[in-house]
Amino acid sequence: GQNIDQPTEMTATEGAIVQINCTYQTSGFNGLFWYQQHAGEAPTFLSYNVLDGLEEKGRFSSFLSRSKGYSYLLLKELQMKDSASYLCAVRDPNYQLIWGAGTKLIIKP
Amino acid sequence: DVKVTQSSRYLVKRTGEKVFLECVQDMDHENMFWYRQDPGLGLRLIYFSYDVKMKEKGDIPEGYSVSREKKERFSLILESASTNQTSMYLCASNYHSGSPAGFTDTQYFGPGTRLTVL
Repeated sequence: GQNIDQPTEMTATEGAIVQINCTYQTSGFNGLFWYQQHAGEAPTFLSYNVLDGLEEKGRFSSFLSRSKGYSYLLLKELQMKDSASYLCAVRDPNYQLIWGAGTKLIIKP
Repeated sequence: DVKVTQSSRYLVKRTGEKVFLECVQDMDHENMFWYRQDPGLGLRLIYFSYDVKMKEKGDIPEGYSVSREKKERFSLILESASTNQTSMYLCASNYHSGSPAGFTDTQYFGPGTRLTVL
């Protein structure tokens, strides 16, 4: 079957660093996406990994290990506006996205 | 900027009513999707369309139908609304993978419609 696991909720402090993990077991793999979703709003694209390694984009980085079925999203210099849910999604060979349930990140001052 | 709009942000309907949710995108995307999002669950695909008048069932199509008469517009229809269809409905669109526009098959989402069925 298809399974994507993320922690349900995480708490971090403003200015700190947080790592949100995502593990997946899918029948095929054609890339992994991270989306950010603020409460009551649409998901917005953050990052995409298809090869192993780290992709850096400003304060946000995403890592992928295909052999381990594992990805993480790293957020540095946390700001209050980073309080949101972070969704991990794996693209299958048919170019459809399989979504995790999301990780709610709470930032405390 | 890509824009995906949905006809309503909030909707309250009664059991048995026919419900129409509309989605419009302005990026000339070939693909359009309807998802529902419920607490503790990932986004679940209801239907998608890769061209005008084409539709494909997603993971949970039961109780829903769709219509795509124009490229920019994708409608979700609840033929007879039930309380278990109370949810957040999200529309998304993207280009076909391999589009000459390059890596642009990121899905872009509308703001969502929170539907309550009483």
